[in-house]
Parts: sequence; C-alpha cells; structure tokens
Amino acid sequence: DIQMTQSPSSVSASVGDRVTITCRASQDISSWLAWYQQRPGKAPKLLIYAASSLQSGVPSRFSGSGSGTDFTLTISRLQPEDFATYYCQQANSFPYTFGQGTKLEIK
Amino acid sequence: EVQLVESGGGLVQPGGSLRLSCAASGFTFSSYAMSWVRQAPGKGLEWVSVISGSGSRTYFADSVKGRFTISRDNSKNTVYLQMSRLRAEDTAVYYCTKDPQENELVWFDPWGQGTLVTVSS
Repeated sequence: DIQMTQSPSSVSASVGDRVTITCRASQDISSWLAWYQQRPGKAPKLLIYAASSLQSGVPSRFSGSGSGTDFTLTISRLQPEDFATYYCQQANSFPYTFGQGTKLEIK
Repeated sequence: EVQLVESGGGLVQPGGSLRLSCAASGFTFSSYAMSWVRQAPGKGLEWVSVISGSGSRTYFADSVKGRFTISRDNSKNTVYLQMSRLRAEDTAVYYCTKDPQENELVWFDPWGQGTLVTVSS
C-alpha cells in the first residue's frame, strides 16, 4: 500500500498569513493526489484534485503543486473559515490512502 | 443540488452485521462511482470501498476485504455497504461520497453527513 505522510501535523497561523502543507507519498503517484478540508463536526470537502486542479467553487487562495512523491497545498491570505484539518489522498492505486491530517489552528 | 443521505448506522455487537444505505439525488446516479470513507472517533480518514457506476467494478481496503461488500441499485439511486463480522476497530462515522467526474473512480466530492457505527458489547 502507498503511505501518505503529511507535515506538519499541526500549524498555527494568523488571518492573512500564507501557509504551506506538505504531503509525501511512499512511491511515485504521478499527479494522482487530492486535498480535502474538514471543519470540526463536518464532512470533508474536496479542494484540489490531480495535484493542482482547483475544484469548482473553491476560492482561488487555495493552490496545489507537485508530482511524483512530493506535493504541497498552499493557502494564501488565510481567512477565518480556513482554520480546519487538511488531508491529502492518493488515487494512483488501490487501496486509496489518506495522509494523517494537518490541523491548522489560529495563532 | 447533489444530496447524499446515509442511514443504517447504530450499535452492534462484535461479530455482528449491519447494512448502511446512501440515498443519492441531484445527479445521474448510474454515471458516477460511489465510495464509502470512514473516520474513527478523533482520527483521520480511511477509504473503505468504491463501486463503479454500473456496479461491475468494486474495490476494498485491506482492513475490510472479505467482511464488507458494496452494491448499488441504480433504479433506486442508492448505494449500500454490507458489513459483517464487525470488530471494535470498525467503529467510525461512515461517509458516502461520489466521484465528481463521470466514469471515474478517483476523487471524493461531495460527501454525505455520515452515519455512526459503534461496535461494542
């Protein structure tokens, strides 16, 4: 199975800051990577798919990059509603796997 | 508007069985793969299973293979997760989700509100 490792596990930031979250795959997954946001008590929401494609309706302050084994999610100009937990997910091969999550907290 | 509504969760004893349902609306159900993803209390996300739009292809996580089955009734716009030989570690909120792209089995969006399954004696 492909292991997905996110870093950091948690990060504190302020409204208006720029934040970057990293996801590393245990083997080459090309661009088969997605990012999800989960607010407390809510279902996850797809932000980015195919490593860098913005899902419809998602604000442009969210962006994704990378290919192969190393990927990043960047949130520019943090808004109050962005404080949540973020997960990466690989879709290169079954079984699909998620990273352990990165909790973005208000500083 | 796409809606996914899960049902069937509850308390079940170890070794028991449970069937989850997910009623879908707002899209051409038979054109989209459907998945189940679970989240144990206070933990991260774990993909469980996916079924193609026609139902001809299914895949499972190793942790549930041989114990869970996934099926769909395209006439009822409903996908099912039949869970048997349940274990304490199957305790989780189970989310139903669809692929946002027709005829693909890769991404998950949107998601239902989830249904809680508790395996305990």
